[in-house]
Amino acid sequence: DTAVSQTPKYLVTQMGNDKSIKCEQNLGHDTMYWYKQDSKKFLKIMFSYNNKELIINETVPNRFSPKSPDKAHLNLHINSLELGDSAVYFCASSPGTAGTEAFFGQGTRLTVV
Amino acid sequence: AQSVTQPDIHITVSEGASLELRCNYSYGATPYLFWYVQSPGQGLQLLLKYFSGDTLVQGIKGFEAEFKRSQSSFNLRKPSVHWSDAAEYFCAVGTHNTDKLIFGTGTRLQVFP
Repeated sequence: DTAVSQTPKYLVTQMGNDKSIKCEQNLGHDTMYWYKQDSKKFLKIMFSYNNKELIINETVPNRFSPKSPDKAHLNLHINSLELGDSAVYFCASSPGTAGTEAFFGQGTRLTVV
Repeated sequence: AQSVTQPDIHITVSEGASLELRCNYSYGATPYLFWYVQSPGQGLQLLLKYFSGDTLVQGIKGFEAEFKRSQSSFNLRKPSVHWSDAAEYFCAVGTHNTDKLIFGTGTRLQVFP
């Protein structure tokens, strides 16, 4: 009964490959997010979706393409992976009202070699 | 633009000692303020939040935080630290016109027995 679940937990891949990370929430929230945590633990928002509509795109390279088939799912597809993409990617959800807290998944540690 | 500063990168305390983690924010109006904790290899868990009203807020695991508008601060406190509190702590700010969170750089807490 995990609230926000993302798969896989670990992902090791070679440069140039394309990979996807999946996220699902069962909280009934309207808004979902992708955050990136770099090697220094700094967390920065990448995208947010509200009811399947893109709301925030924080100047992320267009190799990153989020897809929301329904409001309970937000997947992240990454094309042509680069070494600098290595990070922990967190999915989160919230009720969608400005300023409400976000509920985070366990994270996906992506390592590009 | 809003920002969050956590001046202490790393804090070490003895078990049973009191704790205060500092957080300063920059925002023109009253922000929404959050403290999250991240245990190794885990996602982020909300400890407490401030939206309005009483400036001293109680959270889970015996934590509390006080909002001080005059100092633009939202420091996290615990009277007696347990070894299980060792983790990374993040302060975050949300605003009235956006549903994204801006995170501080985190404070790593180490607890010695």
